[in-house]
Amino acid sequence: QSALTQPASVSGSPGQSITISCTGTSSDVGSYNLVSWYQQHPGKAPKLMIYEVSKRPSGVSNRFSGSKSGNTASLTISGLQAEDEADYYCCSYAGTRWVFGGGTKLTVL
Amino acid sequence: QLQLQESGPGLVKPSETLSLTCTVSGGSISSSSYYWGWIRQPPGKGLEWIGSIYYSGSTYYNPSLKSRVTISVDTSKNQFSLKLSSVTAADTAVYYCARHTIAAAAFDYWGQGTLVTVSS
Repeated sequence: QSALTQPASVSGSPGQSITISCTGTSSDVGSYNLVSWYQQHPGKAPKLMIYEVSKRPSGVSNRFSGSKSGNTASLTISGLQAEDEADYYCCSYAGTRWVFGGGTKLTVL
Repeated sequence: QLQLQESGPGLVKPSETLSLTCTVSGGSISSSSYYWGWIRQPPGKGLEWIGSIYYSGSTYYNPSLKSRVTISVDTSKNQFSLKLSSVTAADTAVYYCARHTIAAAAFDYWGQGTLVTVSS
């Protein structure tokens, strides 16, 4: 199976907003509202930031939001902070399997 | 607080079988609401789902690895395990165990990860 497609890198200045896209197919992102997003700092385990396309787990800042249109999901981070600099991965359920995106490195300038 | 901890050899020889165990503490692996999965990350690369298991023993595997993967569960020890056969250098990675919700299909708790290197 192919990984979901994410931009390799995005950047933004503190206080700005950025959006990371995640493009799949009609067999994964397009078929299920079961897209999740993970933040990973160097040397650390991934952390769940968004589930079911747009829901935030308890404790995750409301600066993080998610959406989906067709086969593409998106993660938006508003009011960028230095601590947001990390790798971000999307993941979609695809009917008895899970597929991750290739990851996006977010740089806070 | 739920915790997951991976354990197993950090070095495996090519063609041999990689074996890892994930010990779950602070919660029961027999909960009906969750699957338990393995995810790996080669150095400098992205995440790859390997497979998942329900406490009853029902499994789902990544089709690209299915012929080499076996995931099992031991509810008496609150553990689940991964075996990956016929390993090559391409299987060198940090291996994570994680819990994922059935309803939301999201991986909400992760182990710290363990690096497994395949080398002679």
